[in-house]
Amino acid sequence: DAKTTQPPSMDCAEGRAANLPCNHSTISGNEYVYWYRQIHSQGPQYIIHGLKNNETNEMASLIITEDRKSSTLILPHATLRDTAVYYCIVRVYNFNKFYFGSGTKLNVKP
Amino acid sequence: DTGVSQDPRHKITKRGQNVTFRCDPISEHNRLYWYRQTLGQGPEFLTYFQNEAQLEKSRLLSDRFSAERPKGSFSTLEIQRTEQGDSAMYLCASSWDTYEQYFGPGTRLTVT
Repeated sequence: DAKTTQPPSMDCAEGRAANLPCNHSTISGNEYVYWYRQIHSQGPQYIIHGLKNNETNEMASLIITEDRKSSTLILPHATLRDTAVYYCIVRVYNFNKFYFGSGTKLNVKP
Repeated sequence: DTGVSQDPRHKITKRGQNVTFRCDPISEHNRLYWYRQTLGQGPEFLTYFQNEAQLEKSRLLSDRFSAERPKGSFSTLEIQRTEQGDSAMYLCASSWDTYEQYFGPGTRLTVT
């Protein structure tokens, strides 16, 4: 699986959009981009995934660049409960394990 | 809505003792995964099952570790002769085929 690069930490004001970047410059054509988050002392939580088109669900939006070498997870209106470590993962769809990396610690501040 | 559950949530044991953890996946999920997470790091894959068959094991899974999923439902992870380096959070996840994995709350192991 391709490796990802994420900033170690980011701050965001409550109510503002949080934009979390991820670089995956070695991604292959059959690898998907997944995002998970882990709130302190809990198991990781699935957020969203995509291949090349932008995706949106009730939690977030995923923007993937046209060359697929980077992506951005957008939380449109961050709340204090969104404070967590966010992991960007690339994975071939029918492979079984996720490689998590170190993620981005998002601090949402009042 | 019953998600993935793990038992116990916390375990403190002395070095050299054996410990066993249990994971109950989401009922309709056919795949079950074990991960280990140490402080400040992301989860690391240990092993996975499709139904009752253990199909992949990481080299992190030394011969002191054994996992089972006897009837394709719940799974157990046993660590024999625990060492201080085994102290970690042990996470279980389940999925339907290759769809997204849903994680349990984890079992935090402390080896003293």
